[in-house]
Amino acid sequence: GAGVSQTPSNKVTEKGKYVELRCDPISGHTALYWYRQSLGQGPEFLIYFQGTGAADDSGLPNDRFFAVRPEGSVSTLKIQRTERGDSAVYLCASSPYGPNTGELFFGEGSRLTVL
Amino acid sequence: KQEVTQIPAALSVPEGENLVLNCSFTDSAIYNLQWFRQDPGKGLTSLLLIQSSQREQTSGRLNASLDKSSGRSTLYIAASQPGDSATYLCAVDSGGSNYKLTFGKGTLLTVNP
Repeated sequence: GAGVSQTPSNKVTEKGKYVELRCDPISGHTALYWYRQSLGQGPEFLIYFQGTGAADDSGLPNDRFFAVRPEGSVSTLKIQRTERGDSAVYLCASSPYGPNTGELFFGEGSRLTVL
Repeated sequence: KQEVTQIPAALSVPEGENLVLNCSFTDSAIYNLQWFRQDPGKGLTSLLLIQSSQREQTSGRLNASLDKSSGRSTLYIAASQPGDSATYLCAVDSGGSNYKLTFGKGTLLTVNP
């Protein structure tokens, strides 16, 4: 597609439920990144994929968070046993080849609200 | 731990004014600094990237400066327009990854027609 696409744009769930957020990067971009932006804060890095593998998952806050990118394109961020503190906008970005070879292109985000 | 602070948190100006947004960071050992724009409900758009060896970068009406030793950067917007209204975020790369950035909380700019 023309840009990074994220679905759903909005998700409301109840505490304890499981949530999946999807990111479709720009076609041909091999690098994909997830960030989390809480209300009134700047984005925080979660995980970086190069191709199908997670090259850096040091930003994942705990083991309730997991992300996959099985075919090196679309990525899914999975959150188990959601907590109210998980409420945030989850941003996805992609870049061609890798992080040092071009700017990051961000999607519009998925706003997650945990009640 | 790197911390980034942006001042002011919000700024409202009449159209046509020149303005300056400020960013400070606690650890001067950075690889680069970026300024981003974020429109409501949208993702981030990179405006300017300054490498640690550079002093400033310019793009159109935007000029960003970097004083690494003092831990400061400014974004100067000339002849502001209502379309410039957005949140402006400053982010530093302390580790050279180019993606594990430390962001400030942003400055919400409103340019009134």
